[in-house]
Amino acid sequence: AQSVTQPDIHITVSEGASLELRCNYSYGATPYLFWYVQSPGQGLQLLLKYFSGDTLVQGIKGFEAEFKRSQSSFNLRKPSVHWSDAAEYFCAVGLMEYGNKLVFGAGTILRVKS
Amino acid sequence: DAGVIQSPRHEVTEMGQEVTLRCKPISGHNSLFWYRQTMMRGLELLIYFNNNVPIDDSGMPEDRFSAKMPNASFSTLKIQPSEPRDSAVYFCASSHSRGGYEQYFGPGTRLTVT
Repeated sequence: AQSVTQPDIHITVSEGASLELRCNYSYGATPYLFWYVQSPGQGLQLLLKYFSGDTLVQGIKGFEAEFKRSQSSFNLRKPSVHWSDAAEYFCAVGLMEYGNKLVFGAGTILRVKS
Repeated sequence: DAGVIQSPRHEVTEMGQEVTLRCKPISGHNSLFWYRQTMMRGLELLIYFNNNVPIDDSGMPEDRFSAKMPNASFSTLKIQPSEPRDSAVYFCASSHSRGGYEQYFGPGTRLTVT
């Protein structure tokens, strides 16, 4: 069955430090992959997406993610974290055979220390 | 462009009452999704529509839940009768089936059933 695993429930980093959030997926075909961010009391906002081509994709707010087919991973990175990046981050895989359906990971809560 | 619009933003009701949540998708999008988010269960897909037709309602928890999409610009999620365990944040999202599968989320409706 298709699934997305985000191994880290919580991550705390210092402001200005680099960040990497992990995401592993299980899906038989070439995946469509997404990262979303949710600030408290808000809906989910799309950060970036991977469909094909260059395996390193750039998103909004200075985030990037790298698709590694051999590792079934799509990790999110940012070189220098800002306090405003504190939020919950969700990785998702698109199931092409089910229309536009997405399967989401459980999320990773990012805390930023000043 | 207006994003996905949901109303009401907050709803407090008593157990046994009927609750109706409303969603207006982004103009031109032909897929619509209803999600529920709780601390215990995370983000759950309840139902989704393509071209106003329900495609997958396997996530609808019970017969007390129903959803309709009478036209391309409006959808409702109804709970009748409501129970305290229905308390959650309900999100609506839309996408275009000929696009890249990315979904755009509304701000959510926070439902509290007392």
